[in-house]
Amino acid sequence: SQQGEEDPQALSIQEGENATMNCSYKTSINNLQWYRQNSGRGLVHLILIRSNEREKHSGRLRVTLDTSKKSSSLLITASRAADTASYFCATDAGDGGYNKLIFGAGTRLAVHP
Amino acid sequence: NAGVTQTPKFQVLKTGQSMTLQCAQDMNHNSMYWYRQDPGMGLRLIYYSASEGTTDKGEVPNGYNVSRLNKREFSLRLESAAPSQTSVYFCASSNQWTGRGANVLTFGAGSRLTVL
Repeated sequence: SQQGEEDPQALSIQEGENATMNCSYKTSINNLQWYRQNSGRGLVHLILIRSNEREKHSGRLRVTLDTSKKSSSLLITASRAADTASYFCATDAGDGGYNKLIFGAGTRLAVHP
Repeated sequence: NAGVTQTPKFQVLKTGQSMTLQCAQDMNHNSMYWYRQDPGMGLRLIYYSASEGTTDKGEVPNGYNVSRLNKREFSLRLESAAPSQTSVYFCASSNQWTGRGANVLTFGAGSRLTVL
């Protein structure tokens, strides 16, 4: 069963707009990560937030984590056509199984020029 | 740096045939993983190897076997392929941290397998 589930499944915006993707998970976690996947390629790590953090920034990325609601959001500001990709959240198993990253089904983002 | 290299990139098999997907990493990572990606399902963990000499089952291990050949290489074998194993397979590696550390994965480009 999937630990993380992203919402929405697909998002279409214009260049310059902000894109927000949400992730919900089911069990306690130690860390939550976001990855990007360009079409036909492997996943690339974007950003990690630890369970004792509430917000983290990296360039145009902003991630929030609400452990009480078991949810996270990824905000991409001033989007570009090059941001077109699928975005996945990933959580560890939370049971000490640090080896096992569990991925959600992803959000497909399309940024139109 | 090559990172994580998977071969082959594409493969078509007939039901019942066997094959091995190869994966090698040059980052001196301790841990390696095999995931499969199906439309609408995200990535699901098949097997992983926390360190050289160990392997463990993930979410969907049935129909697969793995070998951690050495620290660099981790192969995935389909002994008798089935159409349900049609998927894109990703190998990944990491330097796993313990305690409350983080397990950040580096992925290969993927291997697209079709079983007829």
